[in-house]
Amino acid sequence: DTEVTQTPKHLVMGMTNKKSLKCEQHMGHRAMYWYKQKAKKPPELMFVYSYEKLSINESVPSRFSPECPNSSLLNLHLHALQPEDSALYLCASSQARGGYTFGSGTRLTVV
Amino acid sequence: AQKITQTQPGMFVQEKEAVTLDCTYDTSDQSYGLFWYKQPSSGEMIFLIYQGSYDEQNATEGRYSLNFQKARKSANLVISASQLGDSAMYFCAMREGRGAGTALIFGKGTTLSVSS
Repeated sequence: DTEVTQTPKHLVMGMTNKKSLKCEQHMGHRAMYWYKQKAKKPPELMFVYSYEKLSINESVPSRFSPECPNSSLLNLHLHALQPEDSALYLCASSQARGGYTFGSGTRLTVV
Repeated sequence: AQKITQTQPGMFVQEKEAVTLDCTYDTSDQSYGLFWYKQPSSGEMIFLIYQGSYDEQNATEGRYSLNFQKARKSANLVISASQLGDSAMYFCAMREGRGAGTALIFGKGTTLSVSS
């Protein structure tokens, strides 16, 4: 298995909703990442998990809450989002000295 | 200061022509890696090619080659014989160091349009 699987592919949520994005990989990669990407812009790093521990939080608002339950799974919990949080959310995984594998992303719309 | 600079917001090329997408980088690390990704409108980030800082030969992957000039800190992507399906956003990215959990830093991207 050489893929990173992200679900759902599309999500529309209200500003008072709570939802979660899921990312899964079975390549044995020990680092996993969340990126946020606005249209026609580069991906911006949000969080990094290394060996299931949060190693980097790029000053992301607390309405985004990451979780890494095990080495294969990464979640991003969403609560009280704003319309400006609408974006493509990309998950990636990597191993030391190796390449990075990206999921196909979740397109989030906050209404 | 930007770590990865892509100075071409848009490039236009005809089918079967070659095109060069520019990328310069800034790092004080001796060990780093340079990546190019293609992102079509579907949003998927597709890996194209990789160059390690200690690699002496320029990387090649099919129609893609990376023109690595270490002293000038440039890592340009060359696409030979462009195809209509090459129309997409292209990102240059860098990893500093080699440890697990070292994130990729992306340039602003170049939109490539291939016409018939």
